[in-house]
Amino acid sequence: SQKIEQNSEALNIQEGKTATLTCNYTNYSPAYLQWYRQDPGRGPVFLLLIRENEKEKRKERLKVTFDTTLKQSLFHITASQPADSATYLCARSSGTYKYIFGTGTRLKVLA
Amino acid sequence: EAQVTQNPRYLITVTGKKLTVTCSQNMNHEYMSWYRQDPGLGLRQIYYSMNVEVTDKGDVPEGYKVSRKEKRNFPLILESPSPNQTSLYFCASSLSSSGDTDTQYFGPGTRLTVL
Repeated sequence: SQKIEQNSEALNIQEGKTATLTCNYTNYSPAYLQWYRQDPGRGPVFLLLIRENEKEKRKERLKVTFDTTLKQSLFHITASQPADSATYLCARSSGTYKYIFGTGTRLKVLA
Repeated sequence: EAQVTQNPRYLITVTGKKLTVTCSQNMNHEYMSWYRQDPGLGLRQIYYSMNVEVTDKGDVPEGYKVSRKEKRNFPLILESPSPNQTSLYFCASSLSSSGDTDTQYFGPGTRLTVL
């Protein structure tokens, strides 16, 4: 079956450092991968989308990479701040109406 | 303000008592979807709708029904709720379901407890 895997362990990093989160997929090649942010008790909020033919996408302090050989996407937050603390979700979409989300990685940025 | 709204936000009910969770979007989106979120399992898609009168099953449709009679509304119906449907539910919408326009906008969530 198609799966999205994210590191379920929380990631703690010091303020100012770069946070790197991993999303691995199996059994298929998604046309797109999306990254969302979710705060406790709230709905996910879209951050970035990257196509399979794109190596990298940036938005302000955020950067996403897509490696179809490794079947992996990396999500980076540079110069991290305590306000970046949240759970980050990876999701695949392929234009087939169905979405599969990873379980998310909880990030905590320590002041 | 562009948004997806859900009602109720919190609901405690008993086994077998039919309930409906409403979802509405004001962005004229074609695509709408329902998810449930459980600890350790992440977001799982229940049902989705590509447009009015067009719906299909997601990964966990058992015990749920949906309808899409109008573009803006996509209610989730639990005909006979059971305790294993206790969860946090999210409705989402997107302009379409392909390409860069399939960015989903999520509602605030409905926390359902079935006793």
